[in-house]
Amino acid sequence: DAKTTQPPSMDCAEGRAANLPCNHSTISGNEYVYWYRQIHSQGPQYIIHGLKNNETNEMASLIITEDRKSSTLILPHATLRDTAVYYCIVRPTNSGYALNFGKGTSLLVTP
Amino acid sequence: NAGVTQTPKFRILKIGQSMTLQCTQDMNHNYMYWYRQDPGMGLKLIYYSVGAGITDKGEVPNGYNVSRSTTEDFPLRLELAAPSQTSVYFCASSTAGRRNTEAFFGQGTRLTVV
Repeated sequence: DAKTTQPPSMDCAEGRAANLPCNHSTISGNEYVYWYRQIHSQGPQYIIHGLKNNETNEMASLIITEDRKSSTLILPHATLRDTAVYYCIVRPTNSGYALNFGKGTSLLVTP
Repeated sequence: NAGVTQTPKFRILKIGQSMTLQCTQDMNHNYMYWYRQDPGMGLKLIYYSVGAGITDKGEVPNGYNVSRSTTEDFPLRLELAAPSQTSVYFCASSTAGRRNTEAFFGQGTRLTVV
């Protein structure tokens, strides 16, 4: 399974863009990059996913490098409610499409 | 729309006791999963199911059992509880047959074994 590397923690000022990096240098050609977040030990929440093109939805944007070895999740205008642990996950090709969670990045949005 | 519902939300067990963690989903998802999360760690897959009657082990299955008799329900059974099973347990579901869909998670069951 492809593994991911994320910084353990980051800070961001409220109203500014939060850019969360993720390295996945061993990703396979048919593996997608998923982002989830977990607020206050609640159940994880899906944010966005992509294969090789950049993606945007109402929550965030996902920028994937051309070689697909890294990606960045962008929260364009971070709010205090975005304080959470953010997980970058490369979906495995087996195990019933299950998600392999690492330790993620703990994002603190400050006033 | 309730999504994924887990019961109970909290439970304290004594060593050696048994219990069943309940999980039900109302989205007609074929895929269901059980994860555990230890303090400060990410989620680890315990068991998963690709449909009624079909289950398989994940990364940390020892000490647990599952069954899937209906599409909606995926209970997790703990036999002979041990302190190492103190954790938060999350159930999740996702759509069958599509590799790119999101998983929906329940709010978790916080289990303490003393």
